[in-house]
Amino acid sequence: GAVVSQHPSRVICKSGTSVKIECRSLDFQATTMFWYRQFPKKSLMLMATSNEGSKATYEQGVEKDKFLINHASLTLSTLTVTSAHPEDSSFYICSARRWGQGYEQYFGPGTRLTVT
Amino acid sequence: AQKVTQAQTEISVVEKEDVTLDCVYETRDTTYYLFWYKQPPSGELVFLIRRNSFDEQNEISGRYSWNFQKSTSSFNFTITASQVVDSAVYFCALSGRGSGNTGKLIFGQGTTLQVKP
Repeated sequence: GAVVSQHPSRVICKSGTSVKIECRSLDFQATTMFWYRQFPKKSLMLMATSNEGSKATYEQGVEKDKFLINHASLTLSTLTVTSAHPEDSSFYICSARRWGQGYEQYFGPGTRLTVT
Repeated sequence: AQKVTQAQTEISVVEKEDVTLDCVYETRDTTYYLFWYKQPPSGELVFLIRRNSFDEQNEISGRYSWNFQKSTSSFNFTITASQVVDSAVYFCALSGRGSGNTGKLIFGQGTTLQVKP
C-alpha cells in the first residue's frame, strides 16, 4: 500500500500557458501533501505544504500566484504552474503523508515540465 | 533552523567495494526523524530508512547499514559490497517536530554514487 501517482509524467508546454499537475494517493487518505521542485543535479526544494480543505502554506521565495495549489480531497492535490516560462522547467515531485502514520511521506514518481 | 549537509557530492567506487555516505544535520528540535532516500535515474524517490531521534541503535538491512550518532549529529549510510545497481543519487533528509509540526522534509544536497563494474 501507500502508492502515490502523478499525472502527467512529462509535459511540454509553450511559454505563457498554464500547466496542471495532479498528485493522487491511490490507496490511502492523505491529509497533507507536499510539493517539491528539483533542478538537474540538485536537491529537492520544498515549495509548499498542502492540507486538505485549507490554503496551502508556501515556502519563502515561492510565488503563490504562480504556483497554485489545491487540495480538494483527501486523495488529490493539484499544482498549477500559471503563465509558465522556461525558468519554470524542472522536475516536480509530490509526496503524501498518510493520516495517523506519523512522519512517513510517500513520494510520487515526479513530473518533468519543459517550457519552450 | 534545520539543515542537512551531505558533503560528498560524488563518489565513484568499483563493484564490491564498501562505501559510506555521510550526513550531518542541524536542528533545535528534541524530537525529529532522519531519512535516507535513493533516487535512481528514473527520478522516483525510493525510501530506504527512517530513524527517530530517540533510537540510536544502528540498523542493518542486507548490504545496507546506518550509523546514527546524536553526539556528532550524524546519520551515515554504508553500502557493503557495492553493486552497479546501487548507482544513484542518495539523499539524507530531516523532519522535525518544529515548524508547525507539518512533517516537511529538509533534504541534503545529495550524493551521487557511481559503482563501476
